[in-house]
Amino acid sequence: DGGITQSPKYLFRKEGQNVTLSCEQNLNHDAMYWYRQDPGQGLRLIYYSQIVNDFQKGDIAEGYSVSREKKESFPLTVTSAQKNPTAFYLCASSWGHQPQHFGDGTRLSIL
Amino acid sequence: AQRVTQPEKLLSVFKGAPVELKCNYSYSGSPELFWYVQYSRQRLQLLLRHISRESIKGFTADLNKGETSFHLKKPFAQEEDSAMYYCALSRAGGSTLGRLYFGRGTQLTVWP
Repeated sequence: DGGITQSPKYLFRKEGQNVTLSCEQNLNHDAMYWYRQDPGQGLRLIYYSQIVNDFQKGDIAEGYSVSREKKESFPLTVTSAQKNPTAFYLCASSWGHQPQHFGDGTRLSIL
Repeated sequence: AQRVTQPEKLLSVFKGAPVELKCNYSYSGSPELFWYVQYSRQRLQLLLRHISRESIKGFTADLNKGETSFHLKKPFAQEEDSAMYYCALSRAGGSTLGRLYFGRGTQLTVWP
């Protein structure tokens, strides 16, 4: 399912640095989501957006920020305020009552 | 508040044996339930959805509102079923499906 593209596949962050994870979709989906996946904790919702120029915090939004300036793009910034950013990040999108489609993910590590 | 519980972190069975991955939920309204699967080095993908009432790859799941469960079952497990399985819930109603609430996942290993 090449409809959702996440980049980069691997990302390294230095202490005190902000990094941005890209998520692009060409499925014309209205809603987009960011999840964090940690071993033994499942997927936890960081932020989601149901329409352009609007987004809501999920369950673990602290230390993260997003924007939704275009329908096809929903970048996630991991700020220096996120003290434990090492994780696998998944982006998803959906439309209407259709199930969410997921990207391949970005693995973020700390140098 | 809504919550999804998968009580087994790890589950191992032998090839050909029946397998059941448990999922319980708590939600006061009418939920939609899903099973997602993540094979090694592949993206998370939808396995099945309770309203579809389908059997995918031999798996079935029945929503039991009385027991608030949505267990995933397969009568004869195959090695290629080895993967991480996630149960997820969405609040039904409204114009969109909305966000998903995921369980912590069950890692299924099917031995030859």
